[in-house]
Amino acid sequence: GQNIDQPTEMTATEGAIVQINCTYQTSGFNGLFWYQQHAGEAPTFLSYNVLDGLEEKGRFSSFLSRSKGYSYLLLKELQMKDSASYLCAVRERGSTLGRLYFGRGTQLTVWP
Amino acid sequence: DSGVTQTPKHLITATGQRVTLRCSPRSGDLSVYWYQQSLDQGLQFLIQYYNGEERAKGNILERFSAQQFPDLHSELNLSSLELGDSALYFCASSVAASYQETQYFGPGTRLLVL
Repeated sequence: GQNIDQPTEMTATEGAIVQINCTYQTSGFNGLFWYQQHAGEAPTFLSYNVLDGLEEKGRFSSFLSRSKGYSYLLLKELQMKDSASYLCAVRERGSTLGRLYFGRGTQLTVWP
Repeated sequence: DSGVTQTPKHLITATGQRVTLRCSPRSGDLSVYWYQQSLDQGLQFLIQYYNGEERAKGNILERFSAQQFPDLHSELNLSSLELGDSALYFCASSVAASYQETQYFGPGTRLLVL
């Protein structure tokens, strides 16, 4: 099985930087995804990491350390519209191709 | 807009009833995934189809079943509904079913069982 852990809630102010951590335990890792989900809406894809290091996409960056079972999502220049739940999801090697295991999500609130 | 469509958007029904949720994947996507999201459980994988065949099963109850049709749309059937089945049901699709495929989610069907 998998154990994916991320903080339940975080708050930050507009224009700031926030880092959302995700730790995981899996029998065979094969990729980590970050999704953003606004309340009542579909999760939308943000980033994918399979190798160690930092992937940057505009205001969002995602980091992965496979040896530590650790990832973070970094959000810069926060905007009010970034208030949402951020889901960390792991794909396991050897599992049926495609299946993702999701964390419970981190609810981020951005204050003006 | 991810390109994945789901109908209906909302569904209200009574315990013991049966409902069918429909999903159309993005054009060109062969793989469809169903997820259930409730407040206390987070996003849970139910089942995956690839090009019409069942590929993986997750935490899907025996009262639930799904299929993928030749035109690649998929249906999730929920029967003998219980109050605890009230949740958001998402469909996602990807091009194939390889390790690196990104899944794109539909808008979901909100099911309320009274």
